[in-house]
Amino acid sequence: DVKVTQSSRYLVKRTGEKVFLECVQDMDHENMFWYRQDPGLGLRLIYFSYDVKMKEKGDIPEGYSVSREKKERFSLILESASTNQTSMYLCASSLPWANVLTFGAGSRLTVL
Amino acid sequence: EDKVVQSPLSLVVHEGDTVTLNCSYEVTNFRSLLWYKQEKKAPTFLFMLTSSGIEKKSGRLSSILDKKELFSILNITATQTGDSAVYLCAVEPAGGTSYGKLTFGQGTILTVHP
Repeated sequence: DVKVTQSSRYLVKRTGEKVFLECVQDMDHENMFWYRQDPGLGLRLIYFSYDVKMKEKGDIPEGYSVSREKKERFSLILESASTNQTSMYLCASSLPWANVLTFGAGSRLTVL
Repeated sequence: EDKVVQSPLSLVVHEGDTVTLNCSYEVTNFRSLLWYKQEKKAPTFLFMLTSSGIEKKSGRLSSILDKKELFSILNITATQTGDSAVYLCAVEPAGGTSYGKLTFGQGTILTVHP
């Protein structure tokens, strides 16, 4: 069964901390995405990547960065967490030229 | 800026009822519209629609797209408690490196009571 795995389901961090959210897929997908999901706002795209070491900004990249050193792994980094980054973070992947995304189960981040 | 609006935002029904979920959109250079179901975990893919008037069907769920009026509906007949979930609508623009770069609506929370 194809899988997108987000290593941390629940995290609690303090304001100013550096936060890493890890995502690994086992489907050999080229495309990977990070979304955040907030009540009333739906899913919003933070960053995406179409290849190793490649990244593009989504709709809300401010306060975030990403890393893709290996094809299967896409990391989201919060350099200095803030309370307004409390959210559910969803990672997804897809084949090239494909729009059907396979999502991970999500990482719920609380910043105090 | 691409935009997707879903209605209603929440819906409570009883088992056996039929529900219709709505999705309207604005997108530059439309490529596709997708529906996902999200329970307390990863969203799972339901349908992808690219052409107007062609119904996609899977069991009790069906969906159709109207590209002239810029909306889609998701129908669920004979609802069951297992249909309780958040239903997400998303659009994908055409052109460039936009594959998979979806714009989502707010979601519709469906609750089905026994």
